[in-house]
Amino acid sequence: DIQMTQFPSTLSASVGDTVTITCRASQSVGYLLAWYQHIPGNAPKLLIYGASILDGGVPSRFSGSGSETDFTLTISGLQPSDSATYYCQHYSSYPETFGPGTKVEI
Amino acid sequence: EVQVVDSGGGLVQPGGSLRLSCTTSGFTFSDYAVTWVRQAPGKGLEWVGFIRDRTYGRTTEFAASVKGRFSISRDDSRGFALMQMNSLTTEDTGVYYCARSRTRPGEKYYFDSWGQGTLVTVSS
Repeated sequence: DIQMTQFPSTLSASVGDTVTITCRASQSVGYLLAWYQHIPGNAPKLLIYGASILDGGVPSRFSGSGSETDFTLTISGLQPSDSATYYCQHYSSYPETFGPGTKVEI
Repeated sequence: EVQVVDSGGGLVQPGGSLRLSCTTSGFTFSDYAVTWVRQAPGKGLEWVGFIRDRTYGRTTEFAASVKGRFSISRDDSRGFALMQMNSLTTEDTGVYYCARSRTRPGEKYYFDSWGQGTLVTVSS
């Protein structure tokens, strides 16, 4: 199975800041990497797929990059509504594993 | 508007069974796979399994931890999927989410619309 790691595990920032979350795969997943935002009590929300493609309706302050084993999610101009846990997920093979999550506190 | 609603969770004793439902509306259900993801208390997200759409034969895949105990079926005419969970253990406790799943040729699936989750508690 492909193992996914994320860092940092927790991140504290202020409104307006730019933050970056890193996701690393234990072996190459190409560009088959998605990012999700999860606010407790809510349904998880797809932000990015294909490592860098923004899903419909997702604000442009979210961006993704990377390929193979190293990926980043960047949030520019942090908003209070961005307080959440962010998960990366590869979909290159089964099982499709998630990273452990990065909690963003604002 | 795309809607995904998961339900059917509850309290069940170890060794028992439970059936979760994933009810959808607002899109052509038969064109999409359906994936189940769970979150144990205090833990992250774990892929559980999924059922492909009709184009790919409505076949299923499961995580090793549930293979042989869980099954997924779907009713395309009524827009819902079911996950049957048998021989439940305390390790199966958590919030279960169903998600509409998208793919592109040559790729596996990512999840673009999720339910709010349904809580499964396995305890004596």
